[in-house]
Amino acid sequence: QVQLVESGGGVVQPGTSLRLSCAAAGFTFSNYGIHWVRQAPGKGLEWVAVISYDGNNKHYADSVKGRFSISRDNSKNTLFLQMNSLRAEDTAVYYCAKDYHLYGSGGPLQYWGQGTLVTVSS
Amino acid sequence: DIQMTQSPSTLSASVGDRVTITCRASQSISGGLAWYQQKPGKAPKLLIYKTFNLEGGVPSRFSGSGSGTEFTLTISSLQPDDFATYYCHQYNTYGTFGQGTKVEIK
Repeated sequence: QVQLVESGGGVVQPGTSLRLSCAAAGFTFSNYGIHWVRQAPGKGLEWVAVISYDGNNKHYADSVKGRFSISRDNSKNTLFLQMNSLRAEDTAVYYCAKDYHLYGSGGPLQYWGQGTLVTVSS
Repeated sequence: DIQMTQSPSTLSASVGDRVTITCRASQSISGGLAWYQQKPGKAPKLLIYKTFNLEGGVPSRFSGSGSGTEFTLTISSLQPDDFATYYCHQYNTYGTFGQGTKVEIK
């Protein structure tokens, strides 16, 4: 079965960096786009970024553009989110999610991980 | 950017009720609309994609409709397991979620 397991969350100070990982299993990772979605405590869902199946195309929400970078290592079935210049408003649970369509990166989100909490606080 | 306006934000209903949640897009999204259910402390679960297509394993009491900029999720007969928060998601252009609708027990 499809599994997505996020890791790397924690408590960090404003202005610092953090790298999240998402380990995938149960499907051919290199054939699917993968998204990051976040959810601030008690708030709704916010789409953050997507990377195409081959890593050649990446798109970001305006709120993180220029500060966050999405990447993937298809040889290790792992997705990353490098988060720089973190702000208090980046505090959230970060989910990775598999795109629905084969070779797609602009589709619905079929499977989600359990999330990892990032807290930005001084 | 495409904005999604979801309503209502909270809905009080009883088991057996017919429930309708609406999402409006700020511009046409060509049917690229999905609905998710989220329970406290859990990841969202895909219910419907491409406006009206039911994801595998999702009960048939859930249905989606709409076109252009206005879309609807309907639960035909609310069950105890359906009390949760529901989100719409446009994926026609990258991604935007609605604000969510919490369905609570009346």
